[in-house]
Amino acid sequence: DQQVKQNSPSLSVQEGRISILNCDYTNSMFDYFLWYKKYPAEGPTFLISISSIKDKNEDGRFTVFLNKSAKHLSLHIVPSQPGDSAVYFCAASASQAGTALIFGKGTTLSVSS
Amino acid sequence: KAGVTQTPRYLIKTRGQQVTLSCSPISGHRSVSWYQQTPGQGLQFLFEYFSETQRNKGNFPGRFSGRQFSNSRSEMNVSTLELGDSALYLCASSLEWANYGYTFGSGTRLTVV
Repeated sequence: DQQVKQNSPSLSVQEGRISILNCDYTNSMFDYFLWYKKYPAEGPTFLISISSIKDKNEDGRFTVFLNKSAKHLSLHIVPSQPGDSAVYFCAASASQAGTALIFGKGTTLSVSS
Repeated sequence: KAGVTQTPRYLIKTRGQQVTLSCSPISGHRSVSWYQQTPGQGLQFLFEYFSETQRNKGNFPGRFSGRQFSNSRSEMNVSTLELGDSALYLCASSLEWANYGYTFGSGTRLTVV
């Protein structure tokens, strides 16, 4: 069973517009969430994270929103740039259990100029 | 500061053989995790080592094993290779817990023929 789900395999947006990537989780023990970006032939790189005690975290053009009651988080990229084209992975962990990061299957973002 | 180093980058093996992949974590990082990435399944957690002990394990058959040395370097081994083992194998290191965020290596691309 998939504990972290990214239901949209792909997303296309125009340069300058907002990109919204979504992620749902099922395990209520998860209390820390991260987003990673991956380019082909490279390992994933950390983008932004959020603890369950917050509902929003911003870092430059990237903002992550967490809705604990809906077990849903989203990553907003504003404005989107062609260099943002990559695969984005949502990941979650349950810190008290000391678990590994559990990843979603990823969403491929394509930003056209 | 050197990143996570994985060797080799590419590997071609024949079905039935065994393979060993190597990972050198960032200096000071004591946790090393391994993931398998395939096109349809995203990043699937294999196992995590901390201070030479396996701390977490994913749902992979016993053909997949690993170990960690006193200098935190880690190896993973796959015995009796199957065609379905063809994947990108990613190693990630972190200070202690996964929710501190991983730093990934570039991966080893394994092809089983």
